Amino acid sequence: AQSVTQLGSHVSVSEGALVLLRCNYSSSVPPYLFWYVQYPNQGLQLLLKYTTGATLVKGINGFEAEFKKSETSFHLTKPSAHMSDAAEYFCAVSPPGIQGAQKLVFGQGTRLTINP
Amino acid sequence: GAGVSQSPSNKVTEKGKDVELRCDPISGHTALYWYRQSLGQGLEFLIYFQGNSAPDKSGLPSDRFSAERTGGSVSTLTIQRTQQEDSAVYLCASSLLAGGYEQYFGPGTRLTVT
Repeated sequence: AQSVTQLGSHVSVSEGALVLLRCNYSSSVPPYLFWYVQYPNQGLQLLLKYTTGATLVKGINGFEAEFKKSETSFHLTKPSAHMSDAAEYFCAVSPPGIQGAQKLVFGQGTRLTINP
Repeated sequence: GAGVSQSPSNKVTEKGKDVELRCDPISGHTALYWYRQSLGQGLEFLIYFQGNSAPDKSGLPSDRFSAERTGGSVSTLTIQRTQQEDSAVYLCASSLLAGGYEQYFGPGTRLTVT
């Protein structure tokens, strides 16, 4: 069974500082990987995804993530934090291929706080 | 264009009552998913529809939970004889095709069982 671990339930950074949110997965084959963001009282919005191809993936709002198979990781970064980045971030995986189960398996989430 | 919509946005019900939660996916999306978000359990998969059929119901927590989808569009999640542990936010998502395609999420229905 697949699982996702997000290291740190809460991360706090200063405005303008680097944002690093960690995600590791457990899977027998490399899965599809996703990062979602959830603002208060809203649904989830996709930041970026990795399915195949280039391992460095760029997403919306200046975020990017790198798939590292050897480390089974998919950490999310942003060079310079903005106050509007304060939200909860979820890493998720799904099995590759059309024929696999289609559900997303989510990590527990990381709440990002930005200090002025 | 219109996103995924869910109704009601909030639902308060008494223990033992039945509730129905509705999801309207994005037009043309063939895949539809239900998830549950709660403080103790995080985000959990409940059920997945491809068209009107549900090839994966593995996440439904008990036989009190059921879901259907009609016309390849609207879906209803029904919880019978609600319990306090059913209190959560129920999220619906849809995608153009299953398998690695982006899932677009609705705003959720917050269910409170008193």
